[in-house]
Amino acid sequence: KAGVTQTPRYLIKTRGQQVTLSCSPISGHRSVSWYQQTPGQGLQFLFEYFSETQRNKGNFPGRFSGRQFSNSRSEMNVSTLELGDSALYLCASSRDPNQPQHFGDGTRLSIL
Amino acid sequence: SQQGEEDPQALSIQEGENATMNCSYKTSINNLQWYRQNSGRGLVHLILIRSNEREKHSGRLRVTLDTSKKSSSLLITASRAADTASYFCATDEYKLSFGAGTTVTVRA
Repeated sequence: KAGVTQTPRYLIKTRGQQVTLSCSPISGHRSVSWYQQTPGQGLQFLFEYFSETQRNKGNFPGRFSGRQFSNSRSEMNVSTLELGDSALYLCASSRDPNQPQHFGDGTRLSIL
Repeated sequence: SQQGEEDPQALSIQEGENATMNCSYKTSINNLQWYRQNSGRGLVHLILIRSNEREKHSGRLRVTLDTSKKSSSLLITASRAADTASYFCATDEYKLSFGAGTTVTVRA
């Protein structure tokens, strides 16, 4: 059974640009969550989707957005990139929000 | 905001020794989870303990939960080099709140 797949694995952007990250959950999983991991702030919750609906959102500015498609795949978008957005972005999926989450290996985003 | 806080921040042990790390949290929980993260990889779920459970075992892992003290501990017995990783506790099912983690180094 394939795990959570995140693409791309690495990305380099410059300030002011926008970026879209993709996450394919484990087959049968309908809940997808996104996290940002930085050395200074640790792991921080971005948002959670279940059956194409955003159920929860973390304390991030509106530049961070996401969506989930009918096949449960999810994307997150960050607009007007700032240097502080450099981080490892992790996606996690589960069958439903009550189950433990399975993480992908993340997308490492570097902002120059 | 971070709900769980792990202690110590870092731990270095010899292969075969036991490793113990603690987690404290702030509010009431339904369950607490422990995850492991190897360098440059995603997190791997290790164990979930519910608020009405006091202890749980999974292989070489033993987790305890004390809801009166709002704390949990993770014990790894007979450690191996492959246990070298960062360990995180997380609370809350819908939006996991992680601590800063405990970095465990197992020396051969």
